[in-house]
Amino acid sequence: DVKVTQSSRYLVKRTGEKVFLECVQDMDHENMFWYRQDPGLGLRLIYFSYDVKMKEKGDIPEGYSVSREKKERFSLILESASTNQTSMYLCASSSRDSGEKLFFGSGTQLSVL
Amino acid sequence: GENVEQHPSTLSVQEGDSAVIKCTYSDSASNYFPWYKQELGKRPQLIIDIRSNVGEKKDQRIAVTLNKTAKHFSLHITETQPEDSAVYFCAARRGGFTGGGNKLTFGTGTQLKVEL
Repeated sequence: DVKVTQSSRYLVKRTGEKVFLECVQDMDHENMFWYRQDPGLGLRLIYFSYDVKMKEKGDIPEGYSVSREKKERFSLILESASTNQTSMYLCASSSRDSGEKLFFGSGTQLSVL
Repeated sequence: GENVEQHPSTLSVQEGDSAVIKCTYSDSASNYFPWYKQELGKRPQLIIDIRSNVGEKKDQRIAVTLNKTAKHFSLHITETQPEDSAVYFCAARRGGFTGGGNKLTFGTGTQLKVEL
């Protein structure tokens, strides 16, 4: 079974801090994604990557950056956290071979104070 | 870009009744439409999907219909059970599965509550 692991379930940071959210998948998936989930707004795509060192902006990339140095790991970086980045962050992966099904991690609830 | 609208935002049904959730999309080039279910405190999981060359797909108690002309698709759950209580998200994707092609746009979600 595919496993997508996010490093933290809950995270509390202060405004202005640099924040790293880590995601690791164990199924050799080419594609990896970062979404944020907010009540009433659904899942919104921040960034995605379809290969190592490749990245593309999603719908709401402002204030975020990403890094994909290895195929299994996709990191989301908040350069200077702000209170409006308080949210649930979901990582997902998918494979070209297994169709278009997204496998999600369990999420990181980030609170920026 | 693609815009997906989902209605209703909340839906309450009695156990055994049917539930219908509707979504509309804006990009006529969208060709893949999945539905994800997210139980409380858990990760979203794919429950059914449909492609633009098919009008309807069924899997036991759940079915999805697609009307390409009207650009809307719906999730139908029959004989609802308490374990169907969850948030349901529709999504749409444009284009092929090459490079960054697998970019889904999600709806805002429907909170389904099945009451005993």
